[in-house]
Amino acid sequence: EPEVTQTPSHQVTQMGQEVILRCVPISNHLYFYWYRQILGQKVEFLVSFYNNEISEKSEIFDDQFSVERPDGSNFTLKIRSTKLEDSAMYFCASRGTGGELGYTFGSGTRLTVV
Amino acid sequence: GDSVTQMEGPVTLSEEAFLTINCTYTATGYPSLFWYVQYPGEGLQLLLKATKADDKGSNKGFEATYRKETTSFHLEKGSVQVSDSAVYFCALRGVGSGYSTLTFGKGTMLLVSP
Repeated sequence: EPEVTQTPSHQVTQMGQEVILRCVPISNHLYFYWYRQILGQKVEFLVSFYNNEISEKSEIFDDQFSVERPDGSNFTLKIRSTKLEDSAMYFCASRGTGGELGYTFGSGTRLTVV
Repeated sequence: GDSVTQMEGPVTLSEEAFLTINCTYTATGYPSLFWYVQYPGEGLQLLLKATKADDKGSNKGFEATYRKETTSFHLEKGSVQVSDSAVYFCALRGVGSGYSTLTFGKGTMLLVSP
């Protein structure tokens, strides 16, 4: 069964450093998403990406965040200057054209900012 | 804005016990409702869904009924197994979400002992 792959599974970084979280969506999917979950809190929508541009973003997704699909297979989330409060589990998801049934999540990257 | 509230966990049960995980929501109109499950070390997987009032979603012995009058979508299973131990997330897709973004609850951990 096709999977969404995220790397690394766990990343520790110092405050102020840049991090890039990587995702390989399912190959024929067209819509891509990042969500995050701060420990003990809700899973929150960050951004959606379609046709090589951001289609929707939340208030969380400020200028410190950016997304890219550099080579047609990877989908990355960059945080330019990490803060302690960026520590969270980050989930990537992709979707084809099958509505909610086509929404596939990765297993997440746990980001710890120290 | 849209929101989802789930009961706090962990929920600890013995094998073959009856499970209920409560979920209520706030949204305008008629959102689509979902339960996702996350097994240890894995991504979020769609468990079941309902797209209109009084619909019942079901899968793997789990059921949930879309109750518009009580704005609820409680998850139930008649007889849980150890393999059901996981984190369960209630979610909705709002009426105005053009790119299928989801609003999640905090998640409820279920622990089933033999």
